[in-house]
Amino acid sequence: DQQVKQNSPSLSVQEGRISILNCDYTNSMFDYFLWYKKYPAEGPTFLISISSIKDKNEDGRFTVFLNKSAKHLSLHIVPSQPGDSAVYFCAASARSNYQLIWGAGTKLIIKP
Amino acid sequence: DGGITQSPKYLFRKEGQNVTLSCEQNLNHDAMYWYRQDPGQGLRLIYYSQIVNDFQKGDIAEGYSVSREKKESFPLTVTSAQKNPTAFYLCASRAGPVDYGYTFGSGTRLTVV
Repeated sequence: DQQVKQNSPSLSVQEGRISILNCDYTNSMFDYFLWYKKYPAEGPTFLISISSIKDKNEDGRFTVFLNKSAKHLSLHIVPSQPGDSAVYFCAASARSNYQLIWGAGTKLIIKP
Repeated sequence: DGGITQSPKYLFRKEGQNVTLSCEQNLNHDAMYWYRQDPGQGLRLIYYSQIVNDFQKGDIAEGYSVSREKKESFPLTVTSAQKNPTAFYLCASRAGPVDYGYTFGSGTRLTVV
């Protein structure tokens, strides 16, 4: 039973355009959501997070949107750059135990 | 520089042998975690430890063992009981509230030959 789903295994976007990565969750107890970026043969690095009391959080080129009623969040990258090519993982947590539940990841490819 | 060091980066093991993966952190983090990543899947939790001398099983603990004798160290042993040990193993630590995120090591690729 996947509690966090990233339904797109891969996404290809032109350099300079917007990249939108999506994530759905099923557990209504989740109250914190994080995005991580991972390069091959490396550990994931923290990118941006959002609390369930907010619906938007921005950090430079990265914005995360949360739609609690739809149990859906998305990561927007504007403008997309070649260095953004990586696998992006969505993760969710409930403050009751702080354990992260991970999606399967979306491989983002930025085309020149 | 503070961080998490995993060693070795690549490890080969013969079937039937136990092998220990090292994870050391100098971030003064209390909580440490071991994850396994398989192609096309998210990270799955093997074991975690919130404090020294205490650890808990994660979702896929069977065939693995850990110890937490020091705050800085959280080694993972892959035993011969683990049926499909070939995978990418990631160690992580957490400073405090989850909104600070987890810090990950660079991982160990274990291959059983």
